[in-house]
Amino acid sequence: QQKVQQSPESLSVPEGGMASFNCTSSDRNFQYFWWYRQHSGEGPKALMSIFSDGDKKEGRFTAHLNKASLHVSLHIRDSQPSDSALYFCAASETGANTGKLTFGHGTILRVHP
Amino acid sequence: EAAVTQSPRNKVTVTGGNVTLSCRQTNSHNYMYWYRQDTGHGLRLIHYSYGAGNLQIGDVPDGYKATRTTQEDFFLLLELASPSQTSLYFCASSDGLGQGLAPLFGEGTRLSVL
Repeated sequence: QQKVQQSPESLSVPEGGMASFNCTSSDRNFQYFWWYRQHSGEGPKALMSIFSDGDKKEGRFTAHLNKASLHVSLHIRDSQPSDSALYFCAASETGANTGKLTFGHGTILRVHP
Repeated sequence: EAAVTQSPRNKVTVTGGNVTLSCRQTNSHNYMYWYRQDTGHGLRLIHYSYGAGNLQIGDVPDGYKATRTTQEDFFLLLELASPSQTSLYFCASSDGLGQGLAPLFGEGTRLSVL
């Protein structure tokens, strides 16, 4: 069973709009979450991490974590064409010193003019 | 500047062939990882290591060996390559996840097994 599940599979938003991504873990040992972004032809790059319940904001990006439901979301406001990419949710176990990071399947974002 | 460098960037081999993918990090990170990326599967962890001489099994290790020769260098070995191992391979390094320090990825190696 996929331990980190993402939805939707793909998303299309207008330039200037809000893009929202969802991620749920089926493993209660997964308590630390990261969001990554991958542009075509490049390696994944980390956007932000979230470890505590509630919201975390970095510029146009806001992540939200609900530890009780193991649900994390990412919202991009004022989306730009350069935000078009593959977005991954990743999770690691509590304690986190195992160093093992498990990824979801990803969500493709297209921002159209 | 923090960097993870993979070589080669592209590789073509035949079924049954022997392939070594190389990764070097200049970040003084303890952890290094090998992932494969396939459409519909995302990134899947093959092997990882937390120091020279150490090796940990990932989620999809079958058909792969790995070796960490130094703090900087991590190799992925396919001794009898099969078409199912055609994929995009990424190496990453991190200083441990507990401080919120996300693994840093290389640019990838595209492997085709004919």
